[in-house]
Amino acid sequence: GQNIDQPTEMTATEGAIVQINCTYQTSGFNGLFWYQQHAGEAPTFLSYNVLDGLEEKGRFSSFLSRSKGYSYLLLKELQMKDSASYLCAALDSNYQLIWGAGTKLIIKP
Amino acid sequence: GAVVSQHPSRVICKSGTSVKIECRSLDFQATTMFWYRQFPKQSLMLMATSNEGSKATYEQGVEKDKFLINHASLTLSTLTVTSAHPEDSSFYICSARVGDPGEQYFGPGTRLTVT
Repeated sequence: GQNIDQPTEMTATEGAIVQINCTYQTSGFNGLFWYQQHAGEAPTFLSYNVLDGLEEKGRFSSFLSRSKGYSYLLLKELQMKDSASYLCAALDSNYQLIWGAGTKLIIKP
Repeated sequence: GAVVSQHPSRVICKSGTSVKIECRSLDFQATTMFWYRQFPKQSLMLMATSNEGSKATYEQGVEKDKFLINHASLTLSTLTVTSAHPEDSSFYICSARVGDPGEQYFGPGTRLTVT
């Protein structure tokens, strides 16, 4: 079956760095997305990786290892507004997104 | 960036009535549109996938006669919840995709409360 695993909840301190891991098993693979979702709002796009390696975009970076079925989202210089759920989603061979349950990130001052 | 709108943002209806939710891609033509439902503290659950001019493909367990999807154009899809019940109360989110593969652009969501 198809499956996405990511931690349910993480806590970090303002100004610090946090890494949110995601492992996936899908029928075929056409890339991996990370989305941010604040409570009561729709998800917003953060990143898309289809090749191995690290993609950096400001304070946020995303890494992919296709051979390991593994990705992580790295958030630097954490701000209180980064408190949200972070959703990992893999695109399968039918170009359907398979969603993880999301990681709730709590930022403490 | 691409913008997807949804209307209404919130709706309260009585049990047994029907509610229509619109999803529009404002500045691009969407190859495919998706409808998701999200219950509190849970992840997105895909309800159906629709391509313009063809019937929607529903996920297992989603009643197609209860959740009517019309994808009349490349910029508009509608979801009608028919004979709504309190258990249909949820956050409904649409998204639109350009190309395969392609990023999905999400609408702001519609909070449905059935009393």
